[in-house]
Amino acid sequence: DTAVSQTPKYLVTQMGNDKSIKCEQNLGHDTMYWYKQDSKKFLKIMFSYNNKELIINETVPNRFSPKSPDKAHLNLHINSLELGDSAVYFCASSQDGVGLAINKQYFGPGTRLTVT
Amino acid sequence: GENVEQHPSTLSVQEGDSAVIKCTYSDSASNYFPWYKQELGKRPQLIIDIRSNVGEKKDQRIAVTLNKTAKHFSLHITETQPEDSAVYFCAASRWGNLIFGKGTKLSVKP
Repeated sequence: DTAVSQTPKYLVTQMGNDKSIKCEQNLGHDTMYWYKQDSKKFLKIMFSYNNKELIINETVPNRFSPKSPDKAHLNLHINSLELGDSAVYFCASSQDGVGLAINKQYFGPGTRLTVT
Repeated sequence: GENVEQHPSTLSVQEGDSAVIKCTYSDSASNYFPWYKQELGKRPQLIIDIRSNVGEKKDQRIAVTLNKTAKHFSLHITETQPEDSAVYFCAASRWGNLIFGKGTKLSVKP
């Protein structure tokens, strides 16, 4: 029984394309997140989202957009893909909402995106 | 915003020795400090965490200490085993978003 799942696991695409990564959690958590892990293994927050608030890291290009059809899902849409978007993208979720300060975050298995 | 520094970037120990990884943070309002272990090709896994109202927490061979005054926290692994080899990340949080250190690659030699 997977807690946080992502699809696809691998995604290879060409520059300029638009792609989506899906994330689902069955933990009943309130908040979901997207992180980017670059080639140097550095983990950086991209978005956090609950049913009330979307917080966007100001360094994230507006080509990236999170979309949440319901509380258990947070998908990541990327437009006009660039070479520099190649990375591993991790979804995560936590019980407490943003603003309640303290969260235990659980990560999905990651999606390795390669842009050629 | 918050900035987390982590040292060392690589650490090699003999099996059975102890390993210590140190992190400092910049935002005095941060109040939650988790540690994650990431094996090659896998997801980061939460191994231990500490909140700002606690100075130390232990779970079997793993312990974390927090010095709020100095704004630093450390991960201690005792009696290291080869399966402890991985990249370890510290993080700090105030409003939910985790700000990660750059990671420490721990190698435990049998």
